Amino acid sequence: EAQVTQNPRYLITVTGKKLTVTCSQNMNHEYMSWYRQDPGLGLRQIYYSMNVEVTDKGDVPEGYKVSRKEKRNFPLILESPSPNQTSLYFCASSIFSRGQAYEQYFGPGTRLTVT
Amino acid sequence: GENVEQHPSTLSVQEGDSAVIKCTYSDSASNYFPWYKQELGKRPQLIIDIRSNVGEKKDQRIAVTLNKTAKHFSLHITETQPEDSAVYFCAAISSYKLIFGSGTRLLVRP
Repeated sequence: EAQVTQNPRYLITVTGKKLTVTCSQNMNHEYMSWYRQDPGLGLRQIYYSMNVEVTDKGDVPEGYKVSRKEKRNFPLILESPSPNQTSLYFCASSIFSRGQAYEQYFGPGTRLTVT
Repeated sequence: GENVEQHPSTLSVQEGDSAVIKCTYSDSASNYFPWYKQELGKRPQLIIDIRSNVGEKKDQRIAVTLNKTAKHFSLHITETQPEDSAVYFCAAISSYKLIFGSGTRLLVRP
């Protein structure tokens, strides 16, 4: 079954404690991305990757890191989480053709609370 | 950078009526415009998309229109049903980034 998986689905942590949210896809997609969703603000892109070892900032990258060492995995790293990073996080993947990312498939989401 | 504005923020319609959600974008280079539906507690799911080389696309009860000159695109849902109730997001691709509108909460009253 084609899918995007994220772990953990729920996480409560404390300020400053490093954490990693994993994302994996089994569709051989080149393009992967992380979004955060906050009430009234829609979905905002944090980072994206067009292929292995190719990553770039989205609209709200501050406080986050990513890596793309393998095509299927795209972890999101919060080195020192703060309460303003409390949010619902989605990973997504898509094919990347002719310099364009199409039809993004979303993971189930990770609800993060930072106290 | 790209900015996508979406209206209305909430929309309530009677079952069987039509619903229209409108979005405008700022980057004239944008050429791909997807629409996502997000039910409560679930992930966004693509329902329809349109590329800049066409002006309209239909899929059963939903359709999307694109006016590149005016830089706006719209989602049309006909014969609405209670299961259409959800939050709908428009989006535009700009420089490899997908920029979303702020969402429209659609309520279909039985």
